[in-house]
Formats: sequence, structure tokens, C-alpha cells
Amino acid sequence: QQQVKQSPQSLIVQKGGISIINCAYENTAFDYFPWYQQFPGKGPALLIAIRPDVSEKKEGRFTISFNKSAKQFSLHIMDSQPGDSATYFCAASTDNFNKFYFGSGTKLNVKP
Amino acid sequence: ETGVTQSPTHLIKTRGQQVTLRCSSQSGHNTVSWYQQALGQGPQFIFQYYREEENGRGNFPPRFSGLQFPNYSSELNVNALELDDSALYLCASSHVTGPHLGELFFGEGSRLTVL
Repeated sequence: QQQVKQSPQSLIVQKGGISIINCAYENTAFDYFPWYQQFPGKGPALLIAIRPDVSEKKEGRFTISFNKSAKQFSLHIMDSQPGDSATYFCAASTDNFNKFYFGSGTKLNVKP
Repeated sequence: ETGVTQSPTHLIKTRGQQVTLRCSSQSGHNTVSWYQQALGQGPQFIFQYYREEENGRGNFPPRFSGLQFPNYSSELNVNALELDDSALYLCASSHVTGPHLGELFFGEGSRLTVL
């Protein structure tokens, strides 16, 4: 049973375009929703995270949109750059942070 | 500030063997988690250690075991290796307080191949 479902599996975007990755969850006890970025041969690194008490969080070109009633959240990458080409994982955790459930990943390719 | 380091980076074992993977946590972090990442998949939680005690476990059989040492470094041990254990094993350290609360700092992983 997958706790966090992520789509699409892969995404190709032109440089300067908007990349959108979506995630859905079922467990209403989840209280923290991070996005991680992983480059080949590297471990995942935190990109941005949100708590369910806000509907949107923006850091530079990266924005998380959160819909608590629909139990969905998404990552938007504005003005996508070739350097953004990586695999992105959404995740969810309860507020004790002792266990994170990750989505299956989205491989983003930004074409120059 | 030293990041999370894992060893070995790559290893090959045969079915039925045992393996030990090692992790040094980031300076100042007292919590270590282990994740299994199969090819093309997201990380799957194995367990977490806090102050040398197991503090949560995922859906993995008992042949997956771990330790955390007083310096907060950690080991993951897997007995009776199976072909499906082939994966990237990621260690992540974190802290229970402070501005980075909830953030996992991952190492680059140990790539295990079971033949």
C-alpha cells in the first residue's frame, strides 16, 4: 500500500517553462510534506517543505501548492533550467519525523 | 561541517551472505535513519535510531537490523541476503530540534548487488 502517490513518472520541459509534479496522500495524520531533489549518484537533498496550515509556500523558483481537503500537494518549478534536470520525490511524515513515506519519483529533463 | 558519509560505496554479495553498511552522521545530528531505494523507486523507510535506541521501523523483516553508537554513527546489517535486497541503501541524519527540524540529510548511499 503506497502512502504517497506521485505523478508523472517522467517529465520533459523546455528551458524557461513550468514544471509541475503532483502528489496525493491518504493518511490525514501526515503533518509535514517535503520535496527532495536527487541527482544521479547522489543522495536526495531537501528542496522545499510545507505544513498543512498553509496553502502555498514559495522559495525562489520553487513553489509548493497544498490542498488539504483533496489531500494533494504539488511542486511547481518556474523558469525551469537545464540544471534542474534531476529526479524529484515528494514525501510525507507525521510531526514526530521518525518515518518518511516517499513517492516513487519524477524524472525531470529540462531541454535547453 | 562534515556531511553524512557512507561506506562502502559499492559492494557485491551472493545470496545467503551477510552484509554490514556503515554511516557517519552529520556533525551535531543525534538521529540516523536508513532507507532502501530500489532502482527507479523512491526511498523506503527501514528504521530510525535516536540516542542508540530504535525509534521506528518500516515494513522490513527482522534480518534487517541496525545499531547506533555513542558518537551517533550507525550500522545496517542484513542477514541471509536475497536477490531483492539489491538496492541503494541510504543513510540520513537529522536533529530533533533546531532550524532544520524534520530535514533529512542523506549520504550518497551504498549500492548493494546480490547475485
